[in-house]
Amino acid sequence: QKEVEQDPGPLSVPEGAIVSLNCTYSNSAFQYFMWYRQYSRKGPELLMYTYSSGNKEDGRFTAQVDKSSKYISLFIRDSQPSDSATYLCAMAGLEMSSASKIIFGSGTRLSIRP
Amino acid sequence: NAGVMQNPRHLVRRRGQEARLRCSPMKGHSHVYWYRQLPEEGLKFMVYLQKENIIDESGMPKERFSAEFPKEGPSILRIQQVVRGDSAAYFCASSPVRVTGGEEQFFGPGTRLTVL
Repeated sequence: QKEVEQDPGPLSVPEGAIVSLNCTYSNSAFQYFMWYRQYSRKGPELLMYTYSSGNKEDGRFTAQVDKSSKYISLFIRDSQPSDSATYLCAMAGLEMSSASKIIFGSGTRLSIRP
Repeated sequence: NAGVMQNPRHLVRRRGQEARLRCSPMKGHSHVYWYRQLPEEGLKFMVYLQKENIIDESGMPKERFSAEFPKEGPSILRIQQVVRGDSAAYFCASSPVRVTGGEEQFFGPGTRLTVL
């Protein structure tokens, strides 16, 4: 079993829809939860970062962490064609001493139809 | 302020040749990380370097792979005697401080290596 599981998609939704992207994980020691966006042929860019549980909102994006279920989500409201990209979740434990301890999901490909 | 630069963007090698991938971090960043991304797989950490030092190479294959970050010039990821399984996208990231939690790493556009 992978430490971090993410549905690869592709996920296709119409413009303006609410998008829900999810990851599950098995390591209860994870405390840092991140979402990266990766456009085609580009490097990932950090979108959202959450420490421990709870919600975090930034514009149209909301990151949610449910540690009891080992489940994290990224919600995109009023989705735009420019949101079409691959979204990677990533997480790490409190004792993380190096970037080597960050575990990435395999990414979900999202396509927003105009 | 230019972002992380990687070159070449695409590299084609035949089995047994050497591949050299270069990464210039963002200005002011002294921490460099290399990742490999295989199709349908997440980013896998390879190595973390600070100027002239390898800090963590726990993700680097023991043979054929090496990395350096000299005092002057870009960081180099070197793959000797490439095999088809080395075909992947290789990403470099940099940061101004050591990443220990949610600190941001800034990624380059990647080098896509194809081994024939």
